Amino acid sequence: LAKTTQPISMDSYEGQEVNITCSHNNIATNDYITWYQQFPSQGPRFIIQGYKTKVTNEVASLFIPADRKSSTLSLPRVSLSDTAVYYCLVGDRTGGSYIPTFGRGTSLIVHP
Amino acid sequence: EAGVTQFPSHSVIEKGQTVTLRCDPISGHDNLYWYRRVMGKEIKFLLHFVKESKQDESGMPNNRFLAERTGGTYSTLKVQPAELEDSGVYFCASSQDGVGARITEAFFGQGTRLTVV
Repeated sequence: LAKTTQPISMDSYEGQEVNITCSHNNIATNDYITWYQQFPSQGPRFIIQGYKTKVTNEVASLFIPADRKSSTLSLPRVSLSDTAVYYCLVGDRTGGSYIPTFGRGTSLIVHP
Repeated sequence: EAGVTQFPSHSVIEKGQTVTLRCDPISGHDNLYWYRRVMGKEIKFLLHFVKESKQDESGMPNNRFLAERTGGTYSTLKVQPAELEDSGVYFCASSQDGVGARITEAFFGQGTRLTVV
C-alpha cells in the first residue's frame, strides 16, 4: 500500500476555502485516492474519490496532478460543522480485495 | 435505507470478562470490516469478511479476539477474556464489491466504545 502523508492539523475560519494536501509518492498505477471525514464519536464517512485530474461533488473537490503523487481535498466556504478529521486513503482492489487503510489524518478546526 | 448499525454503543466491563460486539452491515454488502481505534492512535484494521468467509484477519491482535459472520449477514466480534489494553472504539464498515481495480465506498457504523476496567 502506498504511504500517505498529511498535515496533522489545520485551522480555518468560517466562510474560507480549505485545501488539505496529501502526499502519496509511491502511488501505484491502479490505486484510487479516497477521502473520508470523521466527526467525534462517529465512524468515518466517505467524502470523495478520484483517480486523476479533478473530481467534484456536492461536498468537496479533489484535485489530482498528472503525476498523481499528491492530491488536494478542497472544501469551499467551510462552516463550524466541517470541524472534523480528514483522512486520505490510497489503494486498489489488489487480488479482488480492498481494505481501507487509515493514517493519522488531518484535524481541521473551523473557528467562528 | 438503514446504514451500518453497531451494538452496543458503549460497554464497560471488568478485566477478564467477555464482551460480544455486533455489527449489522448494509443489506447486500458482501464486504464487512472491523477496525479498532485505541485512544490517541490511528484507526487500525482488524479483519475483513467477504460474505461469510474471513478474507484477511491479519490485524487481529491475538487469539482472545474471535470474529464471526454467520450466513454472510451480521457479524460479531467477541473478546474473551478482555484485558485493559482492549479498551477503545471498535468500528464496523461494509461495502459492495467493486469491479476490476475500482474500489467502492465503505460505510461505517457509529462504533462501539469498549472500556475495560
